[in-house]
This record gives sequence, C-alpha cells and structure tokens, in this order.
Amino acid sequence: AQSVAQPEDQVNVAEGNPLTVKCTYSVSGNPYLFWYVQYPNRGLQFLLKYITGDNLVKGSYGFEAEFNKSQTSFHLKKPSALVSDSALYFCAVRDKSGKNRDDKIIFGKGTRLHILP
Amino acid sequence: NAGVTQTPKFQVLKTGQSMTLQCAQDMNHNSMYWYRQDPGMGLRLIYYSASEGTTDKGEVPNGYNVSRLNKREFSLRLESAAPSQTSVYFCASTPWSGSYEQYFGPGTRLTVT
Repeated sequence: AQSVAQPEDQVNVAEGNPLTVKCTYSVSGNPYLFWYVQYPNRGLQFLLKYITGDNLVKGSYGFEAEFNKSQTSFHLKKPSALVSDSALYFCAVRDKSGKNRDDKIIFGKGTRLHILP
Repeated sequence: NAGVTQTPKFQVLKTGQSMTLQCAQDMNHNSMYWYRQDPGMGLRLIYYSASEGTTDKGEVPNGYNVSRLNKREFSLRLESAAPSQTSVYFCASTPWSGSYEQYFGPGTRLTVT
C-alpha cells in the first residue's frame, strides 16, 4: 500500500530563517506526491504537487518541495519563514490500490510548524 | 462561489443517536470525499464518490453510510453514534478523481458522549 511518513510532529523555526518540513514516501510505481496546509479551524488547502518532471516543484505562498527518488523523500521548503506560515502541514500520496482503481489520496499524520517572531 | 460547504459546524450526540452530516459543492466537481481528522492520526478517508451515482469505502468506513444525493451533495450518516466517532469531519471535492487537488470544506466538529 502507498504511504507517507512525516517524522516530525512539530518544527520550530525563527522568522526569516529557511524552513524544511520532512516527508518520506513508500509507493509501488511512480509516486504522485502532494503537500497541503491547514490553518486553525479551517479545512486543508492544496499547496503543490509532484507528478513528473523537474525535481523542484514550486507552489503557493512561496513554498517549494524537492523530490528525491534515491532517498524517497519529498521535503517542503521555504527560503524565509513568516509568522503567518504557522500551521499544520500534510504530505500526501496518490493511491490507486482499491478494487476500482479510483484515485484517492493518502495523507500523512501532519507536522505542526511554529514560526517564532 | 461558496466552494465546499458543510453543516452543521458543531454537534454533540449521545451514544446511540443518529445524525447526518451534509456536504455540498458548487464547483461542478465529479468526485467527493469524506474524511475524519483525529489528533496524531492525520486525515483518514471514510467513504468517497468518484462520480455521481457511485460510492465506495475508504480506510475507515465502519459505522458510517453515505449518499451521493446528486452531483452537488454528498452526505455522511452515523446510524448509531459511538464515542470513538468523536472527531472532526471534512468533506472534499475534486473536478474528477484524477485531478488530485482537493477542495475542502470547513469541517464539522462532532462529540459523542
């Protein structure tokens, strides 16, 4: 089965510093990978996706993610953190393993990002 | 566009009571999903509807039923609520099942006592 792992429950970063939120994946076949963000008391919002092509994917709000096939990782990055980036971040992977092979998304457990002023 | 709307926002049930969570989207999306979010567990898929007229089980379907009423609406029913169903429930939709960018509603916070 497809899965993603987010090894850190929480990441603290000072405002203005670069940030990285880690994600590793386990898939059969080519991975389709995603990052979502959840602000307090809100639903999730799509940030970016990797399906094929350039290993560095750019997304919303200045975020980017680097796909690394040899390390099976898809880490989320931002060069300079803002206090407003504080939120819960989810890595996710496509799953077509069901009986109908419908596309579904499997989410990681989430990493809470705190940006310290 | 309102996007994805969910009602109610909050609900408290006693064990054994039933209720239906409502979800509607006005984006003409084909696929709709119900998730539950629990601390430390991330989001887990309960049921989904790849297109109008079809529904399928996700990762944690036990204790739930769904109805895809029409293209806009996808409801989740708890027939006999249990404390283990205390959670935040999210509805989401995508234009079609392979489009991957899911649009989420604001969630329903359900407490079962």
